[in-house]
Amino acid sequence: AQKVTQAQTEISVVEKEDVTLDCVYETRDTTYYLFWYKQPPSGELVFLIRRNSFDEQNEISGRYSWNFQKSTSSFNFTITASQVVDSAVYFCALCGGSNYKLTFGKGTLLTVNP
Amino acid sequence: SQTIHQWPATLVQPVGSPLSLECTVEGTSNPNLYWYRQAAGRGLQLLFYSVGIGQISSEVPQNLSASRPQDRQFILSSKKLLLSDSGFYLCAWSGLLGTGTGNTIYFGEGSWLTVV
Repeated sequence: AQKVTQAQTEISVVEKEDVTLDCVYETRDTTYYLFWYKQPPSGELVFLIRRNSFDEQNEISGRYSWNFQKSTSSFNFTITASQVVDSAVYFCALCGGSNYKLTFGKGTLLTVNP
Repeated sequence: SQTIHQWPATLVQPVGSPLSLECTVEGTSNPNLYWYRQAAGRGLQLLFYSVGIGQISSEVPQNLSASRPQDRQFILSSKKLLLSDSGFYLCAWSGLLGTGTGNTIYFGEGSWLTVV
C-alpha cells in the first residue's frame, strides 16, 4: 500500500521568509513518481512538479525548489522569499509506476502574511 | 496544448435528486480520466478512473457512478443524492503510462456540490 504523510497541517510565515513543506512517502514499488500540487482558494489543483524515483536530482524553478531523498523517503518543497500569492494548500502525492492512481497527503495550508 | 473543463462549477441539490457532472478534455486523444472527491478536511479521494471508452474502474463503493460515452468525455452521476455526497469534485486526465504526459495527472477547475 502507498502512503503519503504531510505532518505539517498549517504553516504561517511573514512575507519574504523561506518556508519548507515536508513530505514523507511509503511505497513498495521500485518505480514511482512524486508530485506537488498547489490548491489556491479557488479550488483548482495546479500541478507544480513531477519527480521520477530513478532521478534524485534536486530541482529549482524560480523561488521553488524540491529536495528528493530516497534514503529518507522524503520529497520536501521549499519556497524562497515567500509572497502572499503563495498562500494555498499544498499537496504532495505519489503514483506507483505501474498504475494510474495518485495517493495524496492531507495537505499543508500555507499562509503568507504581508 | 491540452485543456480540461468540467461543469457545472457550483451545484446545490436536494437530497434524493439526481446528479450529473460532466468533464471534457481537449488537445489529446485516448486520455486516462479520473474523478476525485475532496471532502471537508482537504483529503482527496479517487472515486473512478477510466482508461478507455466504456471502461470504468470504481475505487470506492458508494452512491455514485461514472460513464465514459466518448473518448474525451467523463460523466459522474447519481440517481439519488445523499447529504454525504457534498464536497468538491475534481475531474482529471493523464496521458498513456510511460509517455511524457503519462505519469502526470492534470486537474480541472472542480465542481462544488452541496446537498441540502
